[in-house]
Amino acid sequence: AQSVAQPEDQVNVAEGNPLTVKCTYSVSGNPYLFWYVQYPNRGLQFLLKYITGDNLVKGSYGFEAEFNKSQTSFHLKKPSALVSDSALYFCAVRALASGGSYIPTFGRGTSLIVHP
Amino acid sequence: DTGVSQDPRHKITKRGQNVTFRCDPISEHNRLYWYRQTLGQGPEFLTYFQNEAQLEKSRLLSDRFSAERPKGSFSTLEIQRTEQGDSAMYLCASSSEGVTDTQYFGPGTRLTVL
Repeated sequence: AQSVAQPEDQVNVAEGNPLTVKCTYSVSGNPYLFWYVQYPNRGLQFLLKYITGDNLVKGSYGFEAEFNKSQTSFHLKKPSALVSDSALYFCAVRALASGGSYIPTFGRGTSLIVHP
Repeated sequence: DTGVSQDPRHKITKRGQNVTFRCDPISEHNRLYWYRQTLGQGPEFLTYFQNEAQLEKSRLLSDRFSAERPKGSFSTLEIQRTEQGDSAMYLCASSSEGVTDTQYFGPGTRLTVL
């Protein structure tokens, strides 16, 4: 069975500093990996995805993520954090389910707090 | 592209009552997903449609839950004989066809069962 782990419930960073939100996964076969962000009272918004190719994926709002197959990780990064980046971040993996469809599994989420 | 919409945004009901939620996907998207999200957790997959066909159902989806997508457009999720444990945010997402499709989420329907 596929699974996603976000080991940190909360990440605190000062504005202007680099940020990293961690994600590790377990899946049989090729992983399709996603990051979503959820702002209060709003739906999840897509940030970026890894399908194949370059291990460094660039996404929306200056975020990027690095796929590391040997460490089964897909950490989200940003060189310089903004207060407006404060939100809940979810990592997800899609893999083949028993019914033949690719079903996503989400992590528990990491709350990012950027301090002024 | 007007985004995914869900109705109602909030629903408060008494235990034992039936509730129905509606999801309108992005018009050109043929895939539609339902999730449930509780506090402190990520979205949990419930069911998935490709056009009007329901292709996957999670074991989380008990017999009290039923979902439909007539004509492959909007979808409804009905919960019969609601229980307090059904209290959660119910999310809908849609996407274009493809293994690596990006899902676009609606704002969710928050259900409170008293």
